[in-house]
Parts: sequence; C-alpha cells; structure tokens
Amino acid sequence: EPEVTQTPSHQVTQMGQEVILRCVPISNHLYFYWYRQILGQKVEFLVSFYNNEISEKSEIFDDQFSVERPDGSNFTLKIRSTKLEDSAMYFCASTAGDLKQYFGPGTRLTVT
Amino acid sequence: GNSVTQMEGPVTLSEEAFLTINCTYTATGYPSLFWYVQYPGEGLQLLLKATKADDKGSNKGFEATYRKETTSFHLEKGSVQVSDSAVYFCALSDPRSGTASKLTFGTGTRLQVTL
Repeated sequence: EPEVTQTPSHQVTQMGQEVILRCVPISNHLYFYWYRQILGQKVEFLVSFYNNEISEKSEIFDDQFSVERPDGSNFTLKIRSTKLEDSAMYFCASTAGDLKQYFGPGTRLTVT
Repeated sequence: GNSVTQMEGPVTLSEEAFLTINCTYTATGYPSLFWYVQYPGEGLQLLLKATKADDKGSNKGFEATYRKETTSFHLEKGSVQVSDSAVYFCALSDPRSGTASKLTFGTGTRLQVTL
C-alpha cells in the first residue's frame, strides 16, 4: 500500500535556528496537511494545502511557519526561528479528497 | 469550536477481554467521525469511520456507532489481542469546511494488552 514518508525521524535544533521538515505525500493525492502533537497533548491541526496554496491554517501557524511544495513530490514545513515550545511530533498527511487522510510516521522535533 | 474528548489512558487489558474506549464530541452540524490507531514507530492509520447518525463503522473486529443523541462514538472490540496494543485516537471532521477538511483529534488512549 502506498504510504506517506517523512524525514528526518528526529531533529534536534537550537532555539532560534531554522528547521525544515520534509514529507513525501502519496503521489496521486491532492490535499496535504501538517499536524503536530506536543508530548502528552492532543494532535493539533496546523495547516492544509491544496492547489499550491494554503487552504486553511490554525492560530498556531503564525508567521514563523511556512509550507511549500517545491517540486511536485515533496511537501515541506519550515519553522524560521524555533522556540522551545515548538518541540513536538510533527505529522504530515495527504488525501485524494475523500475522508481518508493518510499519515506519515512523524518527525520528532526537539528544540534546546 | 469543534472538540473531541477521549477517556484517559492507559488502558490495560488481558488478551481476549472486551474493550471500550469512550469518545464524545462537540460540534455544530453533522461531523464525520473517525478512529485512528498508531502502532509504535508508525504514523496514524484510519481504523474506521462513520459519516452520519446511527452509522456503524467497523474494521478488524473493532466497531463504533455514531450516536447523535449522546454525541458519542465509542470504540469497542469483543476480544482484544496483544497485537492491538497501540494508541487510539478519536477524531472528527466538519464537512462544512469542504471535502477534505482538517481533523480535530482527541488526546489519544494508550491500550496495552497482556497475555
């Protein structure tokens, strides 16, 4: 079965540094998402992306965050200047437009 | 706004025991409801879904019924196995937001099944 992949599996960075989290969605999918889960808390929606633009974003997704689909296969989440509170597991998901979202295994981001 | 509340975990059961994981939701309108499962080291996988009141979603022996009157979507399995050990997430999507709207998740419930 096709799957969503994410790299790296674990990223450690210092506060104030930029990070880019990478995702390869399923190839024929049209809608892409980023979610995050701070340890012990709920999985939270960050942003959705369709037709090369943001469809919806949450209050968490401020100016420090950006998303891009640079080459038709990758989908990236950039955090420009990381804060300690950005430490979380970040999940990428994609869907063909039905109710089934396929999730990647996640990237654990640790900001020190 | 929309929200999902799940029972706290961890839930520890012996193999072949009956499982219930409670989930209630708050939403305007008629959301679609989901259970996702996360096995260790893997991403979230859709386990089952229901899109309207009284629908029953089922998969791999798990079931959940969309109860609008109690705003609930409890997950059940008659006889759990050690391989069911995982974290289970209840979630909803609001169809008013479009065909591929975001998911709103509960906190997740860890299930540990022992021999």
